[in-house]
Amino acid sequence: AQSVSQHNHHVILSEAASLELGCNYSYGGTVNLFWYVQYPGQHLQLLLKYFSGDPLVKGIKGFEAEFIKSKFSFNLRKPSVQWSDTAEYFCAVREGSGGGADGLTFGKGTHLIIQP
Amino acid sequence: ETGVTQTPRHLVMGMTNKKSLKCEQHLGHNAMYWYKQSAKKPLELMFVYSLEERVENNSVPSRFSPECPNSSHLFLHLHTLQPEDSALYLCASSQSTRGTDTQYFGPGTRLTVL
Repeated sequence: AQSVSQHNHHVILSEAASLELGCNYSYGGTVNLFWYVQYPGQHLQLLLKYFSGDPLVKGIKGFEAEFIKSKFSFNLRKPSVQWSDTAEYFCAVREGSGGGADGLTFGKGTHLIIQP
Repeated sequence: ETGVTQTPRHLVMGMTNKKSLKCEQHLGHNAMYWYKQSAKKPLELMFVYSLEERVENNSVPSRFSPECPNSSHLFLHLHTLQPEDSALYLCASSQSTRGTDTQYFGPGTRLTVL
C-alpha cells in the first residue's frame, strides 16, 4: 500500500521568509502527485499537481513543487510567504496506472503559521 | 466556491441513531468519493463511485453504507456508530477515476457520536 510522509507537522515562519515543506511517498510505480491547501474555515483546494513532463510544477499563489523521482519526493516551495498563507497543507499521491479506483493517499498535513 | 456541497455541516448523534450525510456536486463529474478525517490521522478513503457504481470499498465497517442514486448525489448512511467514528467526513468529486484527475472537495460534515 502507498504511504505519504510529511515531515513537518507544524511550521512557524515570519512574513517574507522562504518556505519548503517536505513530502515523500512510498509507491515505486507511476504516480500522480498533488498538494492541497485548507485555509482556516475553508474546504480543501488544489494548489498544484504533477503527473508528467517538467518535474518543476507551478501552482496558484506563487507556490511550486519539484518532483524528484530518485528521492520519492515532491516538496512544496514558496520563495516569500505572506500572512495569508497560514493554512494546513496536504501532500497526496495517486497511482498513475489508470482506473485510479484507489483514490488519493494523503499525508498527515503540515500546519503552517505565518507571523506578521 | 460551491462546486461540492455537503449537508449537514455539523451532526451530533447517539450510538443507536440512524442518520445520513448528503453530498451534491455541481461540476458535471462522473466520480464521487467519501473520505474520513480523524484527529491526528491522514485523510482516509472510504468509498469510490464511478458512474453511480461503487468501485472501491476500502474495508469500511458495515455501519457505514453509501448510496449514489445519480452522478450528482452521494449519501453516507450511518447506523449504530461508535464514538471512535467521530470525525470530519469529506466528499469529493472528479471528472473520472483517472489518476490524473483533480478531486474537488466539499466543506465536510463534522460528526460527533455520543
